[in-house]
This record gives sequence, C-alpha cells and structure tokens, in this order.
Amino acid sequence: KQEVTQIPAALSVPEGENLVLNCSFTDSAIYNLQWFRQDPGKGLTSLLLIQSSQREQTSGRLNASLDKSSGRSTLYIAASQPGDSATYLCAVNDYKLSFGAGTTVTVRA
Amino acid sequence: GAGVSQSPSNKVTEKGKDVELRCDPISGHTALYWYRQRLGQGLEFLIYFQGNSAPDKSGLPSDRFSAERTGESVSTLTIQRTQQEDSAVYLCASSLGVGGRDTIYFGEGSWLTVV
Repeated sequence: KQEVTQIPAALSVPEGENLVLNCSFTDSAIYNLQWFRQDPGKGLTSLLLIQSSQREQTSGRLNASLDKSSGRSTLYIAASQPGDSATYLCAVNDYKLSFGAGTTVTVRA
Repeated sequence: GAGVSQSPSNKVTEKGKDVELRCDPISGHTALYWYRQRLGQGLEFLIYFQGNSAPDKSGLPSDRFSAERTGESVSTLTIQRTQQEDSAVYLCASSLGVGGRDTIYFGEGSWLTVV
C-alpha cells in the first residue's frame, strides 16, 4: 500500500521568504505526482503535475522536483506572499491518487 | 462543463437517513474518482471509475456506501443509514485518460453533516 508523508506539517514564514515543502512516498511504481493547494472550505486546486519520467516541473514561482527512485518530491515556492497561505497536498498516482496529510503554510505580511 | 461540478454543496441530514451526492465530471473525462475528507484529516480514496470498466471499490468504508456512474457522465455516491462519522466533505475528481496519467481535477466538494 502506498504511503505518502509530508514534512513539515505546518510552516510559518515572513513574506518574501522561499518555501520548501517535502513529500516522500513508499512505492516508486507511479505514473506521476501531483501537487495541490487547498484553501479552507474549498476543493483542491492542481498546481503542478510531474510525470514519472520527469525530474522537474515549473510554473511561475512554483518549482517541483521528483526523484522517483528515492521516493521524494519537493515543492519550492519562491518569494512567498500572504496569498500563498493554504494547505499544500502531495499526491502520488498509481492509477488512483494517494495523498499526504498536507503542509499548512502561513505567510505573514 | 468548465470544471467538475458537485451537488449539493452542503447537506445536513439526520442520522439514519439516506443521502445522494452527485458529480458531473469535466466533459470528455473518462476517469472519475470519489474521495472523502473528514475534518482535519487527509483525503481517503473511496472509488474509481474508468470508462466502462468495472469500478475499483476498494476504498468504500462499508456496505452502506455505494456509487454508480452512467457511461462517462454523471456519478452518484449514495450513503445509506447515515452515521455521525460519515460527516465529511466528499470530493469528486475527474481526469482525461486511462491509468491516471493526466492531471486530476477536483470539484468544490459536497459538505455532509449528519446530526
């Protein structure tokens, strides 16, 4: 059974700092890995999708890396803003998504 | 439609009643998923539909839960004889292709409260 772990569980930083969110998974036989953002009382918004053959994916201030062999992914958010405050979820896809518990980020103005 | 649509967005029901939750996936998406998220907890996989294949029901927590999907369109998740522990947000998601290789898009969820 796929187990997904996210560290840290919570993170509070001042505005402008870079954020580093970690995700690890136990079974490397995956199709892809997806990072989501969840705002309180809302559904999930897809941020980045990294296919298993890729090592990196970028979108604006977001960059995600994937090391499938070691079962790790990292989401980097550059120059954080208060609007980045949310819970970030990592999900690995071996035909269904297995989610980590999330990292709750607070960016202080 | 433009996104995954779920209804109702909120539902309060009495313990023991049956509830139906509806999901309209993005047009053309062959894969459809249901997840549950209890307050303060992570997402739990419930069921997965892929085209006309037999659904993967391995995540359904009890036989009170069932789901149907007609072809590649609407899906309904039914919870019979609701219990207070069923209170959660039920999230539906869809994706374009087989095996989940494509981006998975989520709806806003149906918030269920059992009193």
